[in-house]
Amino acid sequence: GENVEQHPSTLSVQEGDSAVIKCTYSDSASNYFPWYKQELGKRPQLIIDIRSNVGEKKDQRIAVTLNKTAKHFSLHITETQPEDSAVYFCAGNFGNEKLTFGTGTRLTIIP
Amino acid sequence: DTEVTQTPKHLVMGMTNKKSLKCEQHMGHRAMYWYKQKAKKPPELMFVYSYEKLSINESVPSRFSPECPNSSLLNLHLHALQPEDSALYLCASSQGQGAYNEQFFGPGTRLTVL
Repeated sequence: GENVEQHPSTLSVQEGDSAVIKCTYSDSASNYFPWYKQELGKRPQLIIDIRSNVGEKKDQRIAVTLNKTAKHFSLHITETQPEDSAVYFCAGNFGNEKLTFGTGTRLTIIP
Repeated sequence: DTEVTQTPKHLVMGMTNKKSLKCEQHMGHRAMYWYKQKAKKPPELMFVYSYEKLSINESVPSRFSPECPNSSLLNLHLHALQPEDSALYLCASSQGQGAYNEQFFGPGTRLTVL
């Protein structure tokens, strides 16, 4: 079925430390996994994505890892900064048509 | 222009009113989406248009009626809504249809149904 589970629902991290958010999916046919960041009162914005033919992708302080066998993927943010505070949504495709979003993680960076 | 715009930003309506939400993009994208987002929840897909044709309706009640007049515009017509329909309505667009295309979201319309 179309299900993406996301953990934790809230995460507080000291500025400069790393943050990790994990998602699991149920459909073994899923092969595209984007991550969206939504700041308070703002629109969701894509920050990084990964396709199933790749195990890891990095963009500056942000990285995503994918374990197809275990059907889980994770977002890693290093050297966290106050502007990283937001809600992060993982997502997975189900078929070719649409994304299903995870339940979201509220990340708070403590100065 | 690399943004998706939505109007109005806020809308308050009664259960007997008829109103419309509007979405516009000038990025040449051929797929457009309506999502509903409740507080502290993820966006939930409502409709997908591809090349101006409705390709996905996620079993949305008929009191929500989408319309795509041209490739740049997407409307959502509202009629006889319920208080539980109060939410943030997000429009998005992508270059092509298909989940692999990055979706660009508009700022949303915050709808309150009294």
